[in-house]
Amino acid sequence: GESVGLHLPTLSVQEGDNSIINCAYSNSASDYFIWYKQESGKGPQFIIDIRSNMDKRQGQRVTVLLNKTVKHLSLQIAATQPGDSAVYFCAENLVPMDTGRRALTFGSGTRLQVQP
Amino acid sequence: DSGVTQTPKHLITATGQRVTLRCSPRSGDLSVYWYQQSLDQGLQFLIQYYNGEERAKGNILERFSAQQFPDLHSELNLSSLELGDSALYFCASSVPLTGVNTGELFFGEGSRLTVL
Repeated sequence: GESVGLHLPTLSVQEGDNSIINCAYSNSASDYFIWYKQESGKGPQFIIDIRSNMDKRQGQRVTVLLNKTVKHLSLQIAATQPGDSAVYFCAENLVPMDTGRRALTFGSGTRLQVQP
Repeated sequence: DSGVTQTPKHLITATGQRVTLRCSPRSGDLSVYWYQQSLDQGLQFLIQYYNGEERAKGNILERFSAQQFPDLHSELNLSSLELGDSALYFCASSVPLTGVNTGELFFGEGSRLTVL
């Protein structure tokens, strides 16, 4: 079946380094992607999104890259901080319909551990 | 604070029992989604409601049901509970679709269900 998945279950980085979290998707019809961050004991929080007509989008300290050729999505976090420690999920969705919103399909998540 | 409220935060019950989880979406949001997250797993989509009507169904068991009321709050009913139903259950809501908007979902803090 079609799914969204993650390459690495756990990523450990030093504080101040850049982090790269990867995600592979298999639904070629997917044209909208989101990264969520989930801290321990909390619900997922939106980080950044990207539509398929773009290959890069930047936010504050975060950049999402989309490679449709290989169906690959990545999240780059610059100058990683201890507060970035969390589980990161990529999710895919079709472009929202007028009368509702197709539910996001989430990957299995990558745990980012930031070492001080 | 996402603005989505879920109750109860924690619930412990026995196998075979029935529980109801409640969700109040953000003010103005018409869509409500339910997700299940088992230990160290990703978010599995269960069901979506839009303005009181079922909009999409995911991997929701027949023992589970949900509804959205006229005031837009939603309830997820879990019956004949099994040990494997122990999980975090998240509710999310999204903005009405007017013009260009994102696919961002706003998640509650979740209800942790433990079945003994």
